Amino acid sequence: GENVEQHPSTLSVQEGDSAVIKCTYSDSASNYFPWYKQELGKRPQLIIDIRSNVGEKKDQRIAVTLNKTAKHFSLHITETQPEDSAVYFCAASKTNTDKLIFGTGTRLQVFP
Amino acid sequence: DAMVIQNPRYQVTQFGKPVTLSCSQTLNHNVMYWYQQKSSQAPKLLFHYYDKDFNNEADTPDNFQSRRPNTSFCFLDIRSPGLGDAAMYLCATSVQGGGTEAFFGQGTRLTVV
Repeated sequence: GENVEQHPSTLSVQEGDSAVIKCTYSDSASNYFPWYKQELGKRPQLIIDIRSNVGEKKDQRIAVTLNKTAKHFSLHITETQPEDSAVYFCAASKTNTDKLIFGTGTRLQVFP
Repeated sequence: DAMVIQNPRYQVTQFGKPVTLSCSQTLNHNVMYWYQQKSSQAPKLLFHYYDKDFNNEADTPDNFQSRRPNTSFCFLDIRSPGLGDAAMYLCATSVQGGGTEAFFGQGTRLTVV
């Protein structure tokens, strides 16, 4: 089955700096890659996603890149703000199954 | 408006005493998931329903069962909770499973005493 690895497990940045979180997946058939943000004690919420027919997607300060050949995808947050502090999870799934498999999570801390 | 609703938010149960967690959705999504999330870990898929079809993960203990009586509701039954079952339980839905966004409920934090 699918296995998703995520690095780093913790990331501390200064406000205004960029943050990059990387994930690798094992199943080459996976074709949907969402990123979720989970604030302390709250539900995971989708912040951006990418499908395998696209190499990059951007939404304001957040971007995701996908390298299908290498089976890895990354989340890029620019101009970080303290409210970006949370745990971020990548995930992978494919359209012929119902499963959404999560990476191990990255705790991002943005210091003012 | 809450779209995926979990009750209760906090549940305390005794060791070995059966407990049921509930989830309801107003999205009319086909797929409902139950995840277990322990502190500082990723959500771990326990099982999911595509409509009425039940799909169990291979490593989900037999102690965990689920029911989906209709499209809107899904229940997680823990037959004999152990201390190791203390966790946040997250319900999620998606319109058709793989390749579509999952919407999460607020979770139920289960404490076993």
